[in-house]
Amino acid sequence: DQQVKQNSPSLSVQEGRISILNCDYTNSMFDYFLWYKKYPAEGPTFLISISSIKDKNEDGRFTVFLNKSAKHLSLHIVPSQPGDSAVYFCAAIVGGADGLTFGKGTHLIIQP
Amino acid sequence: DVKVTQSSRYLVKRTGEKVFLECVQDMDHENMFWYRQDPGLGLRLIYFSYDVKMKEKGDIPEGYSVSREKKERFSLILESASTNQTSMYLCASSGPGQGYEQYFGPGTRLTVT
Repeated sequence: DQQVKQNSPSLSVQEGRISILNCDYTNSMFDYFLWYKKYPAEGPTFLISISSIKDKNEDGRFTVFLNKSAKHLSLHIVPSQPGDSAVYFCAAIVGGADGLTFGKGTHLIIQP
Repeated sequence: DVKVTQSSRYLVKRTGEKVFLECVQDMDHENMFWYRQDPGLGLRLIYFSYDVKMKEKGDIPEGYSVSREKKERFSLILESASTNQTSMYLCASSGPGQGYEQYFGPGTRLTVT
């Protein structure tokens, strides 16, 4: 059973526009959510996170929104830049120091 | 900056060989993790460790074992490599004061022939 779902394998956005990446989860025990960015042949790099007690967290061009009742979170990137082209993974964790549960990723392509 | 290094970027092994993947972190993190990444499957947790000599199974531990003799080093062992273990292997670490963020190494692309 996939507990973290990213239903869009790929997304194409024009440079300068907003990119919105979506993530749904099924485990209501998850209390912390993270977004990672990954380039080919590199390890994932941490982008932004949000605690379940919040509904929004912002860091520069990146904003994550959490809707607990819908078990849904989204990552907004504004404005999108060519360097944003990468695979984005949504991840979640149930407290403590256990491993993260990842979605399958969304390949974001920024078109010039 | 947190630095997580992995012993090899690319590795080719034969079926049945014993394979060691090494990971070292330099931030004195208590927690270390091994994941594998496969196309269309995302990252899946193999094993993790809270402390020296401690280990916990993740979601897909079958066919793997781990060793943590020192705090900074976490090794993944494939006792008898099989072709279905061809994958990208990623090591990560995390510590107190950083939320739940995990910091990843560059990965090891393992091919088993």
